[in-house]
Amino acid sequence: QVQLVESGGGLVKPGGSLRLSCAASGFTFSDYYMSWIRQAPGKGLEWVSYISSSGSTIYYADSVKGRFTISRDNAKNSLYLQMNSLRAEDTAVYYCARGYSSSWFDYWGQGTLVTVSS
Amino acid sequence: SYELTQPLSVSVALGQTARITCGGNNIGSKNVHWYQQKPGQAPVLVIYRDSNRPSGIPERFSGSNSGNTATLTISRAQAGDEADYYCQVWDSSTAHVVFGGGTKLTVL
Repeated sequence: QVQLVESGGGLVKPGGSLRLSCAASGFTFSDYYMSWIRQAPGKGLEWVSYISSSGSTIYYADSVKGRFTISRDNAKNSLYLQMNSLRAEDTAVYYCARGYSSSWFDYWGQGTLVTVSS
Repeated sequence: SYELTQPLSVSVALGQTARITCGGNNIGSKNVHWYQQKPGQAPVLVIYRDSNRPSGIPERFSGSNSGNTATLTISRAQAGDEADYYCQVWDSSTAHVVFGGGTKLTVL
């Protein structure tokens, strides 16, 4: 069965960095787009970034562009999000999700909490 | 940038039909997808490409999309349907994924 397991969340000071990982299993990882989507406490869903199956196409939300970098290692069935220059407003649960082309998300991980606070 | 507008909350009596709307400029020309999220859980896809149900989603869930409004319809609402529901589209003009603000469904 499809499984997505995020890790790497935690408490970080403003201006700091964090790298999230998402381990995928149960499907051919290299065939699918992948995305990061976040949810601030008590708020709605916010798309962060997505990467095509080969990694050749990448898009970012305006709120994270220039600070976050998405990447993937198809040999390791893993998705990553490098987050730099973190701000308090980046505090959220970060989900990785499998994308069907650049359209819908059919499987989601359980999320990892990132807290940016001094 | 493209925006999706959802009502903050919708209430429905047990066993009745709930309709959750998602408004956007000419949204009928886009593919709309819907997610259900229960407290403390990850979102679950319930409708994709306007009106298609993934395997395992009850037939009580249906969707439509026309003009400036997409609608998620939940027939014979059950207590277990209480959740937040989000619509989502792909905005090709900006290459961005867009989510609606979410609607809290209460089953009375």
